Amino acid sequence: DAMVIQNPRYQVTQFGKPVTLSCSQTLNHNVMYWYQQKSSQAPKLLFHYYDKDFNNEADTPDNFQSRRPNTSFCFLDIRSPGLGDAAMYLCATSAPASGANVLTFGAGSRLTVL
Amino acid sequence: DQQVKQNSPSLSVQEGRISILNCDYTNSMFDYFLWYKKYPAEGPTFLISISSIKDKNEDGRFTVFLNKSAKHLSLHIVPSQPGDSAVYFCAAHGGGADGLTFGKGTHLIIQP
Repeated sequence: DAMVIQNPRYQVTQFGKPVTLSCSQTLNHNVMYWYQQKSSQAPKLLFHYYDKDFNNEADTPDNFQSRRPNTSFCFLDIRSPGLGDAAMYLCATSAPASGANVLTFGAGSRLTVL
Repeated sequence: DQQVKQNSPSLSVQEGRISILNCDYTNSMFDYFLWYKKYPAEGPTFLISISSIKDKNEDGRFTVFLNKSAKHLSLHIVPSQPGDSAVYFCAAHGGGADGLTFGKGTHLIIQP
């Protein structure tokens, strides 16, 4: 089945220790998104790649970076995690056409910061 | 400032009855509205969408209604089934490859 896979599903890191979350897709979608969701909050868009073009949301902290080495993979790097960065990180993909932009999500990576 | 609001954190409905989940938005630039369903330990999955030029879209047991003048939409599930118990997210975007702006979600509980 075509899908979006996120690894690891659970990540524990120490305050200030860099962490990388990965996302891969077999859908061949040209857009990949990263969302942050804190407990009982709405998922918040951090940034997205349209093919190789990086689009950062205005309020995404500099502590968050992303890489997309090829169509299938996208990485979220948190350079110096703080306690406030503990959250579920959701990767999603889409192939925008006319109409609603339907995103396909992975199962998420839950980050704990000690 | 939340642009998409789901004011009911939870909703309990008896099996077989109608479930109505509500969503309000503030951004007039939104052109498309989507509903997602999320089970624990899984990612959100797409349910149904509606364009701002329509006021109703139906797919099986799921119907979405849009009242553009009131900036309000609702998702109706009828009849409600136990497997419908999940968190439902309302989302919107302005078109193209825009990422979706989500509400906080409503936890729907279907009681037997």
